[in-house]
Amino acid sequence: EVQLVESGGGLEQPGRSLRLSCAASGFIFDDYAMHWVRQAPGKGLEWVSGVSWNSGSIVYADSVKGRFTISRDNAKNSLYLQMNGLRPEDTALYYCAKGTGSSTGGGFDYWGQGTLVTASS
Amino acid sequence: DIQMTQSPSSLSASVGDRVIITCRASQSISSYLNWYQQKPGKAPKLLIYTAASLQSGVPSRFSGSGSGTDFTLTISSLHTEDFATYYCQQSYSTPLTFGGGTKVQIK
Repeated sequence: EVQLVESGGGLEQPGRSLRLSCAASGFIFDDYAMHWVRQAPGKGLEWVSGVSWNSGSIVYADSVKGRFTISRDNAKNSLYLQMNGLRPEDTALYYCAKGTGSSTGGGFDYWGQGTLVTASS
Repeated sequence: DIQMTQSPSSLSASVGDRVIITCRASQSISSYLNWYQQKPGKAPKLLIYTAASLQSGVPSRFSGSGSGTDFTLTISSLHTEDFATYYCQQSYSTPLTFGGGTKVQIK
């Protein structure tokens, strides 16, 4: 059974940093791209960032480019999102999602339950 | 960036109704279109990938069609458990983008 478990969310002041983690199990982690998708309270889905199976391709939404860094550790079956320079508009539930293929395109066939990030003073 | 526009943004329907949701891309995306279902307090679930392929385990009352810029998600006969919000997503190019969602409510 595929499982994705996010952690690391919380309340942080604007301008500060948070690091999200996603522990994956139930599939061959280093065969697939991984992504972060967020959802602001009461709003729709917004793709944030994706990383290919071997970290050779990394892509970001314009809204987070230069502030967020995605990474993965295939030895630990883990995905990360380093969030620097937090802004109030980054407040959202952050989902870890498994890509349907090895590259950064494609859809998302499994999702975690999300970790809530609140950027507020 | 490719913009995805869904319509309607919400609809009311009864159990047994046929429901059609449309999604339009701002440029051609071939068949690189996916559909998701999200229930309150839950993570999204993949229903349809590459416009018309049913994800494993998804009931056959769900179907997708279209190519280029215009796509539809059809629920042939609405069940109680289908009341949810549905999103389309293009996987043609990054940044990957979603439609604004369609909330299917009980009439």
